[in-house]
Amino acid sequence: DAGVIQSPRHEVTEMGQEVTLRCKPISGHNSLFWYRQTMMRGLELLIYFNNNVPIDDSGMPEDRFSAKMPNASFSTLKIQPSEPRDSAVYFCASSSAGGANTGELFFGEGSRLTVL
Amino acid sequence: KNEVEQSPQNLTAQEGEFITINCSYSVGISALHWLQQHPGGGIVSLFMLSSGKKKHGRLIATINIQEKHSSLHITASHPRDSAVYICAVPESGGSNYKLTFGKGTLLTVNP
Repeated sequence: DAGVIQSPRHEVTEMGQEVTLRCKPISGHNSLFWYRQTMMRGLELLIYFNNNVPIDDSGMPEDRFSAKMPNASFSTLKIQPSEPRDSAVYFCASSSAGGANTGELFFGEGSRLTVL
Repeated sequence: KNEVEQSPQNLTAQEGEFITINCSYSVGISALHWLQQHPGGGIVSLFMLSSGKKKHGRLIATINIQEKHSSLHITASHPRDSAVYICAVPESGGSNYKLTFGKGTLLTVNP
């Protein structure tokens, strides 16, 4: 399997623009996680999907952030409008565990976002 | 909420040395994760363990559930082992999908 695939790897945009990050989980995995990593706060869970259903979105910073998982092989994280403080590396991870258990996590290479 | 302490924060070693990185947590857990992140790179899961010991090649992870402590050992370290090593545990005793991450240990192995 190709592993978790994220795109774009790098995105530079201006404040106020819409940003869409994409993730393709490992085939057969039923859990998908979006994380944000910054120097100040480290890794933070933004949202967790199980069987394409959002289970916990309490980590989504505010209404500017939204995430979808229309099918088992694709998820998006959207920021609209973007702000400089959203600059971070966004990781998608998938696992084969479900429910309340993380299982072993498989991470993508990350999307490095810079908002000017 | 679980609190995670990793030590040391930074570690410099010579190639071939035996490395130990420690992780302590405050709330009982079902499983602990060790992750590796190369500078500017992605994150790789090294181990997920709930008891005893696991070994992959030169890497060994141990956990003591009673003492709420885990160690990651690297035998015969190599410059390519230079990376940040992160310990992660469930945030609380309930849902295990929400992890609390340690601040990481930056390991530099010199040739």
